[in-house]
Amino acid sequence: GAGVSQSPSNKVTEKGKDVELRCDPISGHTALYWYRQSLGQGLEFLIYFQGNSAPDKSGLPSDRFSAERTGGSVSTLTIQRTQQEDSAVYLCASSLASGRNTEAFFGQGTRLTVV
Amino acid sequence: AQSVAQPEDQVNVAEGNPLTVKCTYSVSGNPYLFWYVQYPNRGLQFLLKYITGDNLVKGSYGFEAEFNKSQTSFHLKKPSALVSDSALYFCAVRSLYNAGNMLTFGGGTRLMVKP
Repeated sequence: GAGVSQSPSNKVTEKGKDVELRCDPISGHTALYWYRQSLGQGLEFLIYFQGNSAPDKSGLPSDRFSAERTGGSVSTLTIQRTQQEDSAVYLCASSLASGRNTEAFFGQGTRLTVV
Repeated sequence: AQSVAQPEDQVNVAEGNPLTVKCTYSVSGNPYLFWYVQYPNRGLQFLLKYITGDNLVKGSYGFEAEFNKSQTSFHLKKPSALVSDSALYFCAVRSLYNAGNMLTFGGGTRLMVKP
Protein backbone atom coordinates (compact mmCIF):
# COMPACT_ATOMS: atom_id res chain seq x y z
CA GLY A 1 0.00 0.00 0.00
CA ALA A 2 0.92 3.65 -0.23
CA GLY A 3 1.23 4.29 3.50
CA VAL A 4 2.06 2.61 6.77
CA SER A 5 -0.65 0.16 7.68
CA GLN A 6 -1.40 -0.95 11.23
CA SER A 7 -3.79 -3.59 12.43
CA PRO A 8 -6.02 -3.89 14.25
CA SER A 9 -7.14 -0.29 14.54
CA ASN A 10 -8.73 -1.03 17.90
CA LYS A 11 -8.14 -3.85 20.35
CA VAL A 12 -9.89 -4.51 23.63
CA THR A 13 -8.37 -7.25 25.72
CA GLU A 14 -8.72 -8.63 29.19
CA LYS A 15 -6.01 -8.08 31.74
CA GLY A 16 -3.48 -10.88 31.63
CA LYS A 17 -4.03 -11.81 28.00
CA ASP A 18 -1.37 -11.49 25.30
CA VAL A 19 -1.82 -9.20 22.29
CA GLU A 20 -0.09 -8.81 18.96
CA LEU A 21 -0.03 -5.55 17.03
CA ARG A 22 0.99 -5.51 13.40
CA CYS A 23 2.74 -2.89 11.31
CA ASP A 24 3.23 -3.03 7.55
CA PRO A 25 5.68 -0.27 6.59
CA ILE A 26 6.01 1.56 3.31
CA SER A 27 7.70 -0.63 0.73
CA GLY A 28 11.44 0.02 0.58
CA HIS A 29 11.66 1.70 3.99
CA THR A 30 14.37 0.01 6.00
CA ALA A 31 13.84 1.92 9.25
CA LEU A 32 10.82 1.07 11.40
CA TYR A 33 9.81 2.55 14.74
CA TRP A 34 7.26 1.73 17.41
CA TYR A 35 6.02 4.45 19.73
CA ARG A 36 3.38 4.52 22.44
CA GLN A 37 1.10 7.45 23.11
CA SER A 38 -1.05 7.67 26.18
CA LEU A 39 -4.24 9.73 25.99
CA GLY A 40 -3.34 13.15 24.61
CA GLN A 41 0.28 12.78 25.64
CA GLY A 42 3.63 12.73 23.91
CA LEU A 43 5.30 9.89 22.07
CA GLU A 44 7.17 7.31 24.10
CA PHE A 45 9.81 5.50 22.06
CA LEU A 46 9.61 1.72 22.30
CA ILE A 47 11.83 0.07 19.69
CA TYR A 48 13.63 0.85 16.45
CA PHE A 49 14.64 -1.44 13.59
CA GLN A 50 17.19 -0.43 10.97
CA GLY A 51 17.80 -2.88 8.15
CA ASN A 52 19.61 -6.00 9.32
CA SER A 53 21.15 -4.31 12.36
CA ALA A 54 20.25 -5.36 15.87
CA PRO A 55 17.16 -3.42 16.97
CA ASP A 56 17.35 -0.66 19.54
CA LYS A 57 15.14 -2.02 22.32
CA SER A 58 16.06 0.63 24.86
CA GLY A 59 12.53 2.01 25.09
CA LEU A 60 10.67 -1.21 25.87
CA PRO A 61 9.10 -0.65 29.32
CA SER A 62 9.32 -4.22 30.57
CA ASP A 63 10.16 -7.75 29.50
CA ARG A 64 6.49 -8.27 28.73
CA PHE A 65 7.07 -6.25 25.57
CA SER A 66 8.84 -7.64 22.53
CA ALA A 67 8.93 -6.94 18.82
CA GLU A 68 10.20 -8.58 15.73
CA ARG A 69 10.54 -7.65 12.12
CA THR A 70 10.40 -10.45 9.61
CA GLY A 71 12.19 -10.22 6.29
CA GLY A 72 12.95 -6.57 6.87
CA SER A 73 9.32 -5.64 6.31
CA VAL A 74 6.32 -6.41 8.51
CA SER A 75 6.78 -5.91 12.25
CA THR A 76 4.83 -7.35 15.16
CA LEU A 77 4.77 -5.84 18.63
CA THR A 78 3.77 -8.38 21.28
CA ILE A 79 2.62 -7.53 24.78
CA GLN A 80 2.39 -10.48 27.14
CA ARG A 81 0.20 -10.61 30.24
CA THR A 82 -1.31 -7.21 29.50
CA GLN A 83 -1.89 -4.74 32.31
CA GLN A 84 -4.25 -1.79 32.47
CA GLU A 85 -1.33 0.63 32.26
CA ASP A 86 -0.57 -0.81 28.80
CA SER A 87 -3.70 0.92 27.50
CA ALA A 88 -2.54 3.45 24.91
CA VAL A 89 -2.30 4.11 21.20
CA TYR A 90 0.59 2.23 19.66
CA LEU A 91 2.04 4.03 16.64
CA CYS A 92 4.29 2.57 13.99
CA ALA A 93 6.39 4.63 11.57
CA SER A 94 8.82 3.90 8.79
CA SER A 95 11.44 5.90 6.92
CA LEU A 96 14.17 5.54 4.36
CA ALA A 97 17.51 4.73 5.91
CA SER A 98 19.41 7.46 4.18
CA GLY A 99 19.07 10.32 1.78
CA ARG A 100 17.62 13.77 2.12
CA ASN A 101 14.03 12.59 2.18
CA THR A 102 14.20 10.98 5.60
CA GLU A 103 11.00 12.00 7.35
CA ALA A 104 9.13 9.20 9.07
CA PHE A 105 5.65 8.29 7.96
CA PHE A 106 3.19 7.16 10.60
CA GLY A 107 0.37 4.71 10.56
CA GLN A 108 -2.99 5.49 12.10
CA GLY A 109 -2.14 3.56 15.21
CA THR A 110 -3.68 0.74 17.21
CA ARG A 111 -5.75 1.81 20.19
CA LEU A 112 -5.27 -0.82 22.89
CA THR A 113 -7.65 -0.97 25.82
CA VAL A 114 -6.96 -3.41 28.63
CA VAL A 115 -10.01 -4.06 30.81
CA ALA B 1 22.17 11.36 23.33
CA GLN B 2 19.83 13.56 21.38
CA SER B 3 16.81 15.30 22.88
CA VAL B 4 14.01 17.70 22.02
CA ALA B 5 12.24 20.14 24.32
CA GLN B 6 8.88 21.75 23.72
CA PRO B 7 8.59 24.11 26.67
CA GLU B 8 4.88 24.89 26.30
CA ASP B 9 2.27 22.23 26.95
CA GLN B 10 -0.36 24.46 25.35
CA VAL B 11 -0.45 27.58 23.21
CA ASN B 12 -3.59 29.65 22.89
CA VAL B 13 -4.07 32.11 20.04
CA ALA B 14 -6.96 33.96 18.48
CA GLU B 15 -7.93 33.20 14.91
CA GLY B 16 -6.16 35.50 12.47
CA ASN B 17 -3.26 36.17 14.83
CA PRO B 18 0.25 34.85 14.24
CA LEU B 19 1.26 31.72 16.13
CA THR B 20 4.56 30.30 17.34
CA VAL B 21 5.17 26.86 18.79
CA LYS B 22 8.60 26.55 20.35
CA CYS B 23 11.14 23.76 20.00
CA THR B 24 14.75 23.43 21.12
CA TYR B 25 17.03 20.48 20.49
CA SER B 26 20.27 18.87 21.53
CA VAL B 27 22.28 16.62 19.21
CA SER B 28 25.83 15.77 18.27
CA GLY B 29 26.69 17.16 14.87
CA ASN B 30 24.29 18.66 12.39
CA PRO B 31 20.60 18.02 13.00
CA TYR B 32 17.73 17.04 10.78
CA LEU B 33 14.62 18.68 12.27
CA PHE B 34 10.97 17.90 11.71
CA TRP B 35 7.51 19.08 12.70
CA TYR B 36 4.49 16.80 12.82
CA VAL B 37 0.84 17.54 13.55
CA GLN B 38 -1.72 15.23 15.11
CA TYR B 39 -5.41 15.94 14.75
CA PRO B 40 -7.84 14.28 17.19
CA ASN B 41 -8.02 10.51 16.78
CA ARG B 42 -5.54 10.61 13.92
CA GLY B 43 -1.96 9.53 13.34
CA LEU B 44 0.91 11.97 13.00
CA GLN B 45 1.19 13.90 9.76
CA PHE B 46 4.45 15.34 8.49
CA LEU B 47 4.44 19.16 8.22
CA LEU B 48 7.95 20.25 7.29
CA LYS B 49 11.63 19.54 7.75
CA TYR B 50 14.99 21.26 7.90
CA ILE B 51 17.88 19.44 6.28
CA THR B 52 20.29 22.14 5.15
CA GLY B 53 20.26 25.45 3.32
CA ASP B 54 17.83 28.25 4.07
CA ASN B 55 17.04 28.63 7.74
CA LEU B 56 13.39 29.39 6.99
CA VAL B 57 11.56 26.29 5.89
CA LYS B 58 8.06 26.33 4.43
CA GLY B 59 5.71 23.42 4.79
CA SER B 60 2.13 22.27 4.55
CA TYR B 61 -0.98 24.30 5.46
CA GLY B 62 0.90 27.63 5.48
CA PHE B 63 3.25 26.64 8.29
CA GLU B 64 6.91 27.55 8.36
CA ALA B 65 9.76 27.02 10.78
CA GLU B 66 12.98 28.86 11.45
CA PHE B 67 16.18 27.00 12.18
CA ASN B 68 18.52 28.87 14.53
CA LYS B 69 21.79 27.05 15.04
CA SER B 70 23.18 29.36 17.71
CA GLN B 71 20.04 29.00 19.82
CA THR B 72 19.51 25.32 18.85
CA SER B 73 15.90 26.12 18.10
CA PHE B 74 13.39 25.22 15.40
CA HIS B 75 10.22 27.16 16.20
CA LEU B 76 7.07 26.53 14.19
CA LYS B 77 5.23 29.60 12.93
CA LYS B 78 2.21 30.65 10.95
CA PRO B 79 1.34 34.26 10.06
CA SER B 80 -2.42 33.87 10.52
CA ALA B 81 -3.91 31.07 12.61
CA LEU B 82 -7.06 29.17 11.69
CA VAL B 83 -9.44 27.41 14.06
CA SER B 84 -8.74 24.26 12.04
CA ASP B 85 -5.05 24.49 13.07
CA SER B 86 -6.05 23.40 16.57
CA ALA B 87 -4.16 20.14 17.13
CA LEU B 88 -1.19 18.57 18.87
CA TYR B 89 2.19 19.51 17.41
CA PHE B 90 5.39 17.53 17.77
CA CYS B 91 8.96 18.56 17.04
CA ALA B 92 11.51 15.83 16.24
CA VAL B 93 15.24 15.58 15.61
CA ARG B 94 17.60 13.16 13.95
CA SER B 95 21.38 13.46 14.08
CA LEU B 96 23.50 12.52 11.10
CA TYR B 97 26.46 12.12 13.42
CA ASN B 98 25.16 8.75 14.48
CA ALA B 99 25.16 5.91 11.99
CA GLY B 100 21.60 5.05 12.86
CA ASN B 101 18.39 6.71 11.92
CA MET B 102 16.93 7.34 15.35
CA LEU B 103 14.12 9.91 15.48
CA THR B 104 13.54 11.60 18.83
CA PHE B 105 10.33 13.52 19.59
CA GLY B 106 9.50 16.32 21.96
CA GLY B 107 6.61 16.00 24.38
CA GLY B 108 4.18 17.84 22.14
CA THR B 109 2.39 21.20 22.32
CA ARG B 110 -1.36 21.53 22.11
CA LEU B 111 -2.38 24.49 19.94
CA MET B 112 -5.78 25.99 20.61
CA VAL B 113 -7.02 28.57 18.12
CA LYS B 114 -10.15 30.38 19.26
CA PRO B 115 -12.60 32.12 16.93
